Amino acid sequence: GAVVSQHPSRVICKSGTSVKIECRSLDFQATTMFWYRQFPKQSLMLMATSNEGSKATYEQGVEKDKFLINHASLTLSTLTVTSAHPEDSSFYICSASPGQRGEQYFGPGTRLTVT
Amino acid sequence: QKEVEQNSGPLSVPEGAIASLNCTYSDRGSQSFFWYRQYSGKSPELIMFIYSNGDKEDGRFTAQLNKASQYVSLLIRDSQPSDSATYLCAVNYVDKLSFGAGTTVTVRA
Repeated sequence: GAVVSQHPSRVICKSGTSVKIECRSLDFQATTMFWYRQFPKQSLMLMATSNEGSKATYEQGVEKDKFLINHASLTLSTLTVTSAHPEDSSFYICSASPGQRGEQYFGPGTRLTVT
Repeated sequence: QKEVEQNSGPLSVPEGAIASLNCTYSDRGSQSFFWYRQYSGKSPELIMFIYSNGDKEDGRFTAQLNKASQYVSLLIRDSQPSDSATYLCAVNYVDKLSFGAGTTVTVRA
């Protein structure tokens, strides 16, 4: 149980284009979904928290107009990186919480490379 | 963001030994505590959670919680080379998790 999928697993895009990443909870309903970014050999960095049907809450320093988050249902959240630049290249990981004790289950991650 | 501190390691243990990982946290109001394992290049995987003071055992893993000391630990018994990974301590605070920087464990065959 508690499986979270993420798609795509890897994407290469050109500078200036937009990329959409999907996150789905497959066997539970997620009251809250989270988006993280992780650079090589660094800790997870929380970017934003989203609840179904509500606007996402972004962490300090994360540009909400650049990282668009949509939480359309209790099993699906999307992150769109708009006008991507090489410095946006990173490992993006979503997680989903069934909301019982705050546990989060992570998707496999999306490795984004912007050329 | 509340503080979660872990020894960064690396922690090197021989195969079959016990690996002991420690974590302290700053918020006395925290109620839920988690250990995640992250292999290099992969996303974190939840391996243990604990909510009450004392020990909780699951297979070769034992989590220990002492809320008075604001301390949580993870023991890995009979360590295997496949246990080589970074272990992240996470503490729930206001519906978000605060993560430690992680302890890298290497199990020597």
